[in-house]
Amino acid sequence: AQKVTQAQTEISVVEKEDVTLDCVYETRDTTYYLFWYKQPPSGELVFLIRRNSFDEQNEISGRYSWNFQKSTSSFNFTITASQVVDSAVYFCALSERWGDDKIIFGKGTRLHILP
Amino acid sequence: KAGVTQTPRYLIKTRGQQVTLSCSPISGHRSVSWYQQTPGQGLQFLFEYFSETQRNKGNFPGRFSGRQFSNSRSEMNVSTLELGDSALYLCASSLDKNTEAFFGQGTRLTVV
Repeated sequence: AQKVTQAQTEISVVEKEDVTLDCVYETRDTTYYLFWYKQPPSGELVFLIRRNSFDEQNEISGRYSWNFQKSTSSFNFTITASQVVDSAVYFCALSERWGDDKIIFGKGTRLHILP
Repeated sequence: KAGVTQTPRYLIKTRGQQVTLSCSPISGHRSVSWYQQTPGQGLQFLFEYFSETQRNKGNFPGRFSGRQFSNSRSEMNVSTLELGDSALYLCASSLDKNTEAFFGQGTRLTVV
């Protein structure tokens, strides 16, 4: 069965600190896709990244970086030098190649960046 | 290019009524999915449409239904509203399954 676990419900850090959001997933499929989304107070889910199960290369995009480790079924997200505008709820998600068409979301991590 | 548009943004209904929510996907996207977001259950999949056909449905009662039109616009309908249907309803559009899904701002439904 598919499952995404974001153990950190809420995190608060002071601006300019680095912060890592954890994501652990479960799937029986060998081909799957992992996503991160950001949900600011406005409510819209903003797509951040999509990674397929065959690509374990870490990715960096500006202050954002992602660490994908199949051995531990984790897809962690790090924000470097955090800013107040990074405050939001962040969702990790999974979809399976041969599964149905839904994306399974974790419960989300609410991130507070304190000025 | 224009993003995913959901209307209305806010809605207040009374128990027993029915409601229709609308979603216009990104131009060229044929897949539209609907999700319900509540504080207790998080984001839960409702259903997905592709080229006017429902490809999959989540674990929701039959009061929740949807459809997709030939221009890919989609509507979802909830009949006989219950208090527990109060939620943020999000629509996502994508080219096809397993591709990036782009979400609208949602419709916040309050049932009183």
